[in-house]
Amino acid sequence: GAGVSQSPSNKVTEKGKDVELRCDPISGHTALYWYRQRLGQGLEFLIYFQGNSAPDKSGLPSDRFSAERTGESVSTLTIQRTQQEDSAVYLCASSMDRGKLVHFGNGTRLTVT
Amino acid sequence: QKEVEQNSGPLSVPEGAIASLNCTYSDRGSQSFFWYRQYSGKSPELIMFIYSNGDKEDGRFTAQLNKASQYVSLLIRDSQPSDSATYLCAVSAWGGSQGNLIFGKGTKLSVKP
Repeated sequence: GAGVSQSPSNKVTEKGKDVELRCDPISGHTALYWYRQRLGQGLEFLIYFQGNSAPDKSGLPSDRFSAERTGESVSTLTIQRTQQEDSAVYLCASSMDRGKLVHFGNGTRLTVT
Repeated sequence: QKEVEQNSGPLSVPEGAIASLNCTYSDRGSQSFFWYRQYSGKSPELIMFIYSNGDKEDGRFTAQLNKASQYVSLLIRDSQPSDSATYLCAVSAWGGSQGNLIFGKGTKLSVKP
């Protein structure tokens, strides 16, 4: 596709369950970013990939959060043992290279009940 | 702690007026500066980027950068009700492991007909 694609668009899960969020970046984009946006709040950086490696994962809030990227393409963000405070929109973005124009997907709205 | 500061607003301007949105950043190593527009419930949309000191114009939008003052602004001329949204300032530095965008919390703009 032409843009950044995220799935699912919405996810409702019970507290304590694990969830996996997927991001397909724009083809050829080497940099990939995950952000979190809580209701009415700004964007909170989680992790940045350059190719398949993650030189900056400083924003991951706890060890329940992990992310990987394979084939310099798809990335998955995994949240283990979800908590209610994990409820947010998780946004993925990609760019041709670090520091270059960043384009966002439509996000996954996660609700933990 | 790298920070990007914006006045949360709301900034209210009449239709046809100039809207002026401001942003300051703390990291002197920042090299790329972006303005995103985010409508309620939607993902951020890139509207302007600037790398060099001075002004950059694109249609009704002008981005202004002053690296010495660590200040970046966005002017919207002939404001329209459809410009009503939250405007996010984002800053990027790269080198080493850096490459992620740091976002401000956004300024909510309301254009009154």
